[in-house]
Amino acid sequence: NAGVMQNPRHLVRRRGQEARLRCSPMKGHSHVYWYRQLPEEGLKFMVYLQKENIIDESGMPKERFSAEFPKEGPSILRIQQVVRGDSAAYFCASSPQGAILETQYFGPGTRLLVL
Amino acid sequence: GQQLNQSPQSMFIQEGEDVSMNCTSSSIFNTWLWYKQDPGEGPVLLIALYKAGELTSNGRLTAQFGITRKDSFLNISASIPSDVGIYFCAGRSQGAQKLVFGQGTRLTINP
Repeated sequence: NAGVMQNPRHLVRRRGQEARLRCSPMKGHSHVYWYRQLPEEGLKFMVYLQKENIIDESGMPKERFSAEFPKEGPSILRIQQVVRGDSAAYFCASSPQGAILETQYFGPGTRLLVL
Repeated sequence: GQQLNQSPQSMFIQEGEDVSMNCTSSSIFNTWLWYKQDPGEGPVLLIALYKAGELTSNGRLTAQFGITRKDSFLNISASIPSDVGIYFCAGRSQGAQKLVFGQGTRLTINP
C-alpha cells in the first residue's frame, strides 16, 4: 500500500515563475492537508481539502497561492509569481475521512527553491 | 494564533542515555501527537494521545497527555543511533482538522 506521494521532490524556480506541487493521497484517503516548513522551523498549516472542496484555507496566503483537489487526479498546490520567501519544504498529508481522531499521514515533501 | 513551545531546541547525548522533551501551549488541545522527521523526509507519526492524563508507549518511546490539556512530554529510553532526527509535537484543538506544530527538538547522539 503506497504512502502519500509528492512530486516533484525538488523544484527550482526563478522569481516570477509559477510553481505547481502535486500530492497523491494514500489509497482510500479523500482528505488532503498542505503544510509549509521553513528551515529550522515546525510545519505550518496552509489548507485542508476534500475532493472538489476547500474546507479550511485559513493558513493560505491571500495572494498568489491556490489549492485544488479535483474529483480525479492529485491535489495541486499552485504558487504564482514566486518570490524568494516562498522557498521552503511543502508537505502534503492525507487521512481517510477527516474525522477528528484520524491520523494524518505525511508525504516526503517538495523542496522549493526560488532563485 | 495558537502556538506550541517545544523544548529543548536541541539535545546532544551519549548512546544509551534517556531523553526527555516537552511541549507547552497557552491554549487547550484535544489531541497531542509526536512525530519524528529524518533529513529530507516527511514527519512520521510516533505516538498519538487523545485523553487528558493518557500515558502511551511505543517500544522505547513513552508520551503523556498533560492533565491541563496544555502540555505533553515524550521520553525515549536507552537511545540508539537511529533515534537521531528532529522530533515535533503537534496539537489539534476541538473541532479542528489542522495540526499546530512545535518548533522541533533536534536530537544528536554521540556513539
